Amino acid sequence: LAKTTQPISMDSYEGQEVNITCSHNNIATNDYITWYQQFPSQGPRFIIQGYKTKVTNEVASLFIPADRKSSTLSLPRVSLSDTAVYYCLVGDMRAGDSNYQLIWGAGTKLIIKP
Amino acid sequence: NAGVTQTPKFQVLKTGQSMTLQCAQDMNHNSMYWYRQDPGMGLRLIYYSASEGTTDKGEVPNGYNVSRLNKREFSLRLESAAPSQTSVYFCATKFRGRASGNEQYFGPGTRLTVT
Repeated sequence: LAKTTQPISMDSYEGQEVNITCSHNNIATNDYITWYQQFPSQGPRFIIQGYKTKVTNEVASLFIPADRKSSTLSLPRVSLSDTAVYYCLVGDMRAGDSNYQLIWGAGTKLIIKP
Repeated sequence: NAGVTQTPKFQVLKTGQSMTLQCAQDMNHNSMYWYRQDPGMGLRLIYYSASEGTTDKGEVPNGYNVSRLNKREFSLRLESAAPSQTSVYFCATKFRGRASGNEQYFGPGTRLTVT
């Protein structure tokens, strides 16, 4: 089971680009890299996932180097509403069944200041 | 289209009491999951159901039981609640297929306090 390491907390300012890096040295061949966002008193919300290189959607980009031992979530032009906890997860849940598990760490608490 | 719903939102139990947490989804997803989240920590998997008719233990199953009633509903039961089960409980669903990867959809949570 691949574990991840990410900063406990980060601060930034409105309008800045924020990059959160996650380390996952023992990622397995079939593992995806997935990021979730969680606001207080809410369930986590899927942001983005990727396998290799770069993935971009309407809210974020995910950069994955060739060795896949780390990944970087990039949030462009953040606002106050981006203040949340961000979780980096690696694993392969495609079959949804036995012998899989995603390990959820404590996440990165991102605080955006005006 | 409500997505994933959970009832109740809040519950206070005394030690030894039992209760069932309900989860329902209208996303037509095959797989459903129950997690708990303790303060300042990530989620831990309690039980999951890969498809209707199957259930399996996760990381922390002791003290819990589950029922996959049909494709839409997955319930979590505490037979004899203990203070250590004070937590926030999340239900999640996932489309079972290669394209979905690790993309899960979570309910709003049930905040349970056991005194």
